[in-house]
Amino acid sequence: EAQVTQNPRYLITVTGKKLTVTCSQNMNHEYMSWYRQDPGLGLRQIYYSMNVEVTDKGDVPEGYKVSRKEKRNFPLILESPSPNQTSLYFCASRTGGSRGYTFGSGTRLTVV
Amino acid sequence: RKEVEQDPGPFNVPEGATVAFNCTYSNSASQSFFWYRQDCRKEPKLLMSVYSSGNEDGRFTAQLNRASQYISLLIRDSKLSDSATYLCVVNTPLVFGKGTRLSVIA
Repeated sequence: EAQVTQNPRYLITVTGKKLTVTCSQNMNHEYMSWYRQDPGLGLRQIYYSMNVEVTDKGDVPEGYKVSRKEKRNFPLILESPSPNQTSLYFCASRTGGSRGYTFGSGTRLTVV
Repeated sequence: RKEVEQDPGPFNVPEGATVAFNCTYSNSASQSFFWYRQDCRKEPKLLMSVYSSGNEDGRFTAQLNRASQYISLLIRDSKLSDSATYLCVVNTPLVFGKGTRLSVIA
């Protein structure tokens, strides 16, 4: 089944403890992206990648890192999480051209 | 900043009603357009692409007006299962509206 897989689905962590949210897609998509979704603010792009070893900042990149060493994987790294990074995170991928994104099931992160 | 604007709602409609959502976008160079559906705390899912000539998928009709930079989604014969938030999405670059919440009531 074609899908984007994120892990974990839920995570509670403490301020400053490094964490990684994994994202993997099995559709051979070039484009991958991370979003966070907060009430009243909608989906905001954190980072995106147009292909292997090509990443760029989105609208809200502060406090996040990403890497794209392989086409299928696009992990999101929080080196020192803070409470303002408590949010619902989505990974998404798409082919080039004008197709829409396929989203992962989301990761609900709480930083205390 | 490229913007996509939607009425947040909520739109509360009875089963069987016809409901329309509108969306405006600021980037006149936008090339492709989509409507996504998002259920509470779930991931957004592509509902339909929007083509210049307008397109229909069952009870759903999408229209695009490039001159006015305006996209619409019409849902006919609303079902309880249509209750969700509908996101207008514009590309390139890919920008999401904040969504319009629909509640269909029995």
